[in-house]
Amino acid sequence: GESVGLHLPTLSVQEGDNSIINCAYSNSASDYFIWYKQESGKGPQFIIDIRSNMDKRQGQRVTVLLNKTVKHLSLQIAATQPGDSAVYFCAENSGGSNYKLTFGKGTLLTVNP
Amino acid sequence: NAGVMQNPRHLVRRRGQEARLRCSPMKGHSHVYWYRQLPEEGLKFMVYLQKENIIDESGMPKERFSAEFPKEGPSILRIQQVVRGDSAAYFCASSPLSTSAPYEQYFGPGTRLTVT
Repeated sequence: GESVGLHLPTLSVQEGDNSIINCAYSNSASDYFIWYKQESGKGPQFIIDIRSNMDKRQGQRVTVLLNKTVKHLSLQIAATQPGDSAVYFCAENSGGSNYKLTFGKGTLLTVNP
Repeated sequence: NAGVMQNPRHLVRRRGQEARLRCSPMKGHSHVYWYRQLPEEGLKFMVYLQKENIIDESGMPKERFSAEFPKEGPSILRIQQVVRGDSAAYFCASSPLSTSAPYEQYFGPGTRLTVT
């Protein structure tokens, strides 16, 4: 069935360190993946996406890596800042759907000053 | 340019009452999606609507839940005879009519429903 899961439910880092958040997916038909950031009391905010024909994509301070062989996705945040503290979700387009997103459970990132 | 608007932000209902959640998509967006988020869980897809049409309601519970997106006005998610298990955050997202990124969904702040 469809499932997206995260290896670590919580991650605590020091300000300035790099953060790595991991995600596993099981639906090999999914071909589009997104990372969202959700701050307390707010809706998910798009961070970065990647298509299955790519292994890596970089944004501003963020990098997403996709390993289709082991169905693994990661989000790297460089020089983590207190404002990065939030829950991070990976999501996939369910079975190749062009609109239905399946979300993982989320990882709580806490940045210590 | 205002983002996706949802109201109310918080809603408390007693068991058996009805809950109505409203979503106004971003200006120019004609696709609306509803998701439900239980505590410490990811968002779960419920329904996808376009103006006056339900495109995919595969994530909606079979009973008590309904959704609409009329020609004029906001999209409404309606929950009849609420039960405690309906307590959750309900998020609405919208996307443009035509987009090269069909997953380009912008989320609202959510409505937190509490059933007492």
